[in-house]
Amino acid sequence: DVKVTQSSRYLVKRTGEKVFLECVQDMDHENMFWYRQDPGLGLRLIYFSYDVKMKEKGDIPEGYSVSREKKERFSLILESASTNQTSMYLCASSFPRGISGANVLTFGAGSRLTVL
Amino acid sequence: AQKITQTQPGMFVQEKEAVTLDCTYDTSDPSYGLFWYKQPSSGEMIFLIYQGSYDQQNATEGRYSLNFQKARKSANLVISASQLGDSAMYFCAMREGMKTSYDKVIFGPGTSLSVIP
Repeated sequence: DVKVTQSSRYLVKRTGEKVFLECVQDMDHENMFWYRQDPGLGLRLIYFSYDVKMKEKGDIPEGYSVSREKKERFSLILESASTNQTSMYLCASSFPRGISGANVLTFGAGSRLTVL
Repeated sequence: AQKITQTQPGMFVQEKEAVTLDCTYDTSDPSYGLFWYKQPSSGEMIFLIYQGSYDQQNATEGRYSLNFQKARKSANLVISASQLGDSAMYFCAMREGMKTSYDKVIFGPGTSLSVIP
């Protein structure tokens, strides 16, 4: 019954490494989102995508990039990981507003990244 | 600038009592949506309730209701008859983007609710 799958639950990387976080959804959602969650700061939007190959910056895109080559897959890329990118990363997806007024987000289980 | 404010980092409530979690927001879009999500210690994000900016009535879902005061830009969550299982982080979120063709959903910093037996 899993609908949004994040490929890695826990990752440990070293400073300067390139990191890929993968997210796959099986609900045919147009919208996909990447957030990072830090205590006291809530969820902050990194990037989102509303269609294949389309992406928009969120509130904290610096140091990140994304890729959406297929509708079901949205990847978050850290080109050169830094210690301040240690965080929980949450992927989510939804239908567009026009299909469902509520366009509720469905979240993955999260990927906890530690950068040493 | 933060667009969603949750001024209560932590709250305590006695079991079976009602509790209100505050949320204020800021947007210039006339059309927007407001959400509340719950995140228990297990980490999963659970959708609770939704309010559209044009909805005439306050949203309700079982023990959850949303006290929507549009002029004050507030969307407080009311949980009636608290249960121990309600202990969790609660996030207020807003979908904005009427001026664009896509939906952007942003979250507040969250409120940690603890229900006391």
